[in-house]
Amino acid sequence: QVHLVESGGGVVQPGRSLRLSCAASGFTFSTYAMHWVRQAPGKGLEWVALISHDGNNKYYADSVKGRFTISRDNTRNTLYLQMNSLRAEDTAVYYCARDPSSCPPLFCWYFDLWGRGTLVSVSS
Amino acid sequence: YELTQPPAVSVSPGQTARITCSGDALPNQYAYWYQQKPGQAPVMVMYTDTVRASGIPERFSGSGSGTTVTLTISGVQAEDEADYYCQSADSNETNVLFGGGTKLTVL
Repeated sequence: QVHLVESGGGVVQPGRSLRLSCAASGFTFSTYAMHWVRQAPGKGLEWVALISHDGNNKYYADSVKGRFTISRDNTRNTLYLQMNSLRAEDTAVYYCARDPSSCPPLFCWYFDLWGRGTLVSVSS
Repeated sequence: YELTQPPAVSVSPGQTARITCSGDALPNQYAYWYQQKPGQAPVMVMYTDTVRASGIPERFSGSGSGTTVTLTISGVQAEDEADYYCQSADSNETNVLFGGGTKLTVL
């Protein structure tokens, strides 16, 4: 069975850092682009970042550009999100999600598999 | 570039629910739909405007016309009560956009 399992969430003070992980299983992780998507409490979905299958191409939402870094380790089947200079408005459940990756030239820009999410709460 | 959905739609069991999503780029970009039940992760129900995702019941269908795409649920069941989000990409394909979500209530 295919699975994505996020971890690393928690309570953190404004201005501090946190790193999220997403462990993939049941599919060939190294052939898929991956996304992070977040959802603030009681709010809608917001895309955060995308990384290509090989890690060479990355895209970010304007709201996190310069503060968050997406990365991956294909030897560990794991996706990461390094979050620096955290703000109260970054409080959300963070989901990792798979891009079908079957669309030319590189990305499909949608999500065919989601993890269950990990909650990040930024508060003093 | 924004995607606009009605905040709420209510139908009785067995009726047809239609959830719309409007955006200026939709004539040129595919739309996707996700279902999210309380406390759960989203699940893709429709992709490239009209294709039902694997495991999604046939009562779900998608259509598009101009700047509006529509998710239709025929013969709504109680289990269909959820939030539904449309999603697309911007014209440069460097950003993902979500609609604000529609809460479907089955009366």
